[in-house]
Amino acid sequence: AQKITQTQPGMFVQEKEAVTLDCTYDTSDQSYGLFWYKQPSSGEMIFLIYQGSYDEQNATEGRYSLNFQKARKSANLVISASQLGDSAMYFCAMRGSTDSWGKLQFGAGTQVVVTP
Amino acid sequence: DAGVTQSPTHLIKTRGQHVTLRCSPISGHKSVSWYQQVLGQGPQFIFQYYEKEERGRGNFPDRFSARQFPNYSSELNVNALLLGDSALYLCASSLWESYSNQPQHFGDGTRLSIL
Repeated sequence: AQKITQTQPGMFVQEKEAVTLDCTYDTSDQSYGLFWYKQPSSGEMIFLIYQGSYDEQNATEGRYSLNFQKARKSANLVISASQLGDSAMYFCAMRGSTDSWGKLQFGAGTQVVVTP
Repeated sequence: DAGVTQSPTHLIKTRGQHVTLRCSPISGHKSVSWYQQVLGQGPQFIFQYYEKEERGRGNFPDRFSARQFPNYSSELNVNALLLGDSALYLCASSLWESYSNQPQHFGDGTRLSIL
């Protein structure tokens, strides 16, 4: 069974500062994908960044980067230069290779509040 | 291009009733997945459909069913509604069925309230 753990229920961060959101995962699959999504209070889930288990380089997408440590089974999201619009719930999710391809296993999420 | 569209946006039902939620994927996407998100939790996988066939099912009772149509749109049906079915129901579509780096793109969801 796959499991995603996000241990930080909530975080405050000042505008223009960087913030790291923790994510650890557990899987017996050799091949898997890790995703981060942002969910504003309006409810829609917005895809941010992807990391494949065989990718040797950490993924980056604009202000988002993923600190992937395979041996530790962690995939932390780093948001640089936080903006007020970054205030939202952030979910780490995993897709394994032995389960349904269309199934994402989500963590409980981390609420981020960016303050001026 | 239009994103994933879901209807209705909000819905209020009473216990024991039946509900149908609808989803239209992004044009060209053939895979549709459904998720239930209870307040304060992460989404839980319910179903995946690809090319009109069920390709995955989460740990939900038989009261939950779904189907996919030839145009790749999908319906989620829930019978004999319970108070615990109150949640945000999210539909997601993706480009490929097989394992890849293609992300799932989500709709805005349907907020279902059971009285």
